[in-house]
Amino acid sequence: AQSVAQPEDQVNVAEGNPLTVKCTYSVSGNPYLFWYVQYPNRGLQFLLKYITGDNLVKGSYGFEAEFNKSQTSFHLKKPSALVSDSALYFCVVTDSWGKLQFGAGTQVVVTP
Amino acid sequence: DAGVTQSPTHLIKTRGQQVTLRCSPISGHKSVSWYQQVLGQGPQFIFQYYEKEERGRGNFPDRFSARQFPNYSSELNVNALLLGDSALYLCASSLEGGRETQYFGPGTRLLVL
Repeated sequence: AQSVAQPEDQVNVAEGNPLTVKCTYSVSGNPYLFWYVQYPNRGLQFLLKYITGDNLVKGSYGFEAEFNKSQTSFHLKKPSALVSDSALYFCVVTDSWGKLQFGAGTQVVVTP
Repeated sequence: DAGVTQSPTHLIKTRGQQVTLRCSPISGHKSVSWYQQVLGQGPQFIFQYYEKEERGRGNFPDRFSARQFPNYSSELNVNALLLGDSALYLCASSLEGGRETQYFGPGTRLLVL
């Protein structure tokens, strides 16, 4: 069985400061990992994915994620947070035929 | 290009009724997946379809069924609605299914009274 864990229910950060959202994974074989973001009353938006290759993955809206195989982590990062980044972030793992397994989600609150 | 579209946006039903939710994938996408998101939780996988065939099914009762049409649009049907079926139902499409990126629609919010 595969799974992802997001240890923080909420992350608070001041605008302009670095933002990190943590995720650890448990899979058999090579992991396919994603980050999605959900704004209030809206669907999920794809941010980025890791399949293979470089451990630093760049995505939409200035986000990036660092894959660490030894620590089984896939943390989402943004160098300078914006108030508009306030949203619910999901770490996701997929199996070979595309069943997405979502983490519990981390609420990000960016204060002006 | 239009993204994934879903209809209706909101729906109110009573216990025991049946509901049909609809989804149109991104043009060129052949795979559609359905997810249920209960308030305060991450989405849970219900079904995946590719080329009109069911590829996978999540841990949901037989009251849940779906199908995919020749134009790759899809319907999710839920019979004998329970209060616990109240949720946001999300549809996602991808080119070929599998491990490709899935793009989500805005969802249908179902309230069962």
